[in-house]
Amino acid sequence: AQSVTQLGSHVSVSEGALVLLRCNYSSSVPPYLFWYVQYPNQGLQLLLKYTSAATLVKGINGFEAEFKKSETSFHLTKPSAHMSDAAEYFCAVSGQGAQKLVFGQGTRLTINP
Amino acid sequence: SAVISQKPSRDICQRGTSLTIQCQVDSQVTMMFWYRQQPGQSLTLIATANQGSEATYESGFVIDKFPISRPNLTFSTLTVSNMSPEDSSIYLCSVDFGYEQYFGPGTRLTVT
Repeated sequence: AQSVTQLGSHVSVSEGALVLLRCNYSSSVPPYLFWYVQYPNQGLQLLLKYTSAATLVKGINGFEAEFKKSETSFHLTKPSAHMSDAAEYFCAVSGQGAQKLVFGQGTRLTINP
Repeated sequence: SAVISQKPSRDICQRGTSLTIQCQVDSQVTMMFWYRQQPGQSLTLIATANQGSEATYESGFVIDKFPISRPNLTFSTLTVSNMSPEDSSIYLCSVDFGYEQYFGPGTRLTVT
């Protein structure tokens, strides 16, 4: 079985500051890990994915995440926050490729001018 | 990638009625998924729909309440039956496209 815990339901950073959104997972099989972003009143957009290749994954909009098996973590980072990054971010895990995703509870990111 | 559309985008329904949500994909896909996102919550998988077979439901979801059709490789419907206010949620469909799941824009349902 798989599960995801996102630490912090709400994160607030200043524009230009580092963004760090935390995700820890539990999986009984080698995991596939994903980060999605949801803007208000929209569906989910895939930011990046880990599929057992390189442990440092680069995604869209300047985001990246590092898979750390020893820490069972897949934290999302961006060096410099933009106002347009304000949204809800979801971490998800699967043991079957991109099927049967299990989502974390989400982290709402607020960017302060 | 895949482009997914859903109809309706939102609806307000009376309790006890049913609503059918449509999901259309611009490419042929084997697997489609239906999720529920309750207000302020994360996404929960309702069922997996393969073309030509019965949908597979997750624990806590039953076919009588959420019947699903999958008549071809680009289309699926989800019906929310005998609705109650607790069914007020965003319902999203998604497709598996080579180690990536793409999501539709969602249907925002309010039950009064």
